[in-house]
Amino acid sequence: RKEVEQDPGPFNVPEGATVAFNCTYSNSASQSFFWYRQDCRKEPKLLMSVYSSGNEDGRFTAQLNRASQYISLLIRDSKLSDSATYLCVVSNNAGNMLTFGGGTRLMVKP
Amino acid sequence: GAGVSQSPSNKVTEKGKDVELRCDPISGHTALYWYRQSLGQGLEFLIYFQGNSAPDKSGLPSDRFSAERTGGSVSTLTIQRTQQEDSAVYLCASSSGTWGIQYFGAGTRLSVL
Repeated sequence: RKEVEQDPGPFNVPEGATVAFNCTYSNSASQSFFWYRQDCRKEPKLLMSVYSSGNEDGRFTAQLNRASQYISLLIRDSKLSDSATYLCVVSNNAGNMLTFGGGTRLMVKP
Repeated sequence: GAGVSQSPSNKVTEKGKDVELRCDPISGHTALYWYRQSLGQGLEFLIYFQGNSAPDKSGLPSDRFSAERTGGSVSTLTIQRTQQEDSAVYLCASSSGTWGIQYFGAGTRLSVL
């Protein structure tokens, strides 16, 4: 079983749609959680951290459920520029090692 | 420079040859990471440096892979006797220690013919 699992997609949605991605992780001792974004043939970049209480950054909302070892990302009012692969990322206790999920590909169509 | 710099950006080599990939991290970042990403796949961790030492080499796939970091800055990843399955994008990242935040270079796309 992979340490961090994601549905690879692709998710094809029209502009303006709301889309949600889920991720599960296997190590219950994991301390911190993140979503990174990777555009086609580009490097990954941090999108947002995920806090236990849930957090929002504009059109993006991240949620964490430690009991179920489950992380989600919600994107509202999708834009063409949101088309990318979204990587679920989990850190170890010390925060110095990250484990990446395989990514979920999003394609937003006009 | 402002970001993580990797060179070369593309490398084509013949099976059996050695290759050396370079990473120049963000100035002042003490932690440096190497990852490998095959086409359509996620990131595979290779090795982690804290300063010049490598406390975690667990991801190196075979003894043909080695890495070093000198002066707490530039790192090189060396692949000896390359095989076709080594073809991938090799990504370097650096971190100042801020929890979970790593800054990635644009990667080196390695093709072994």
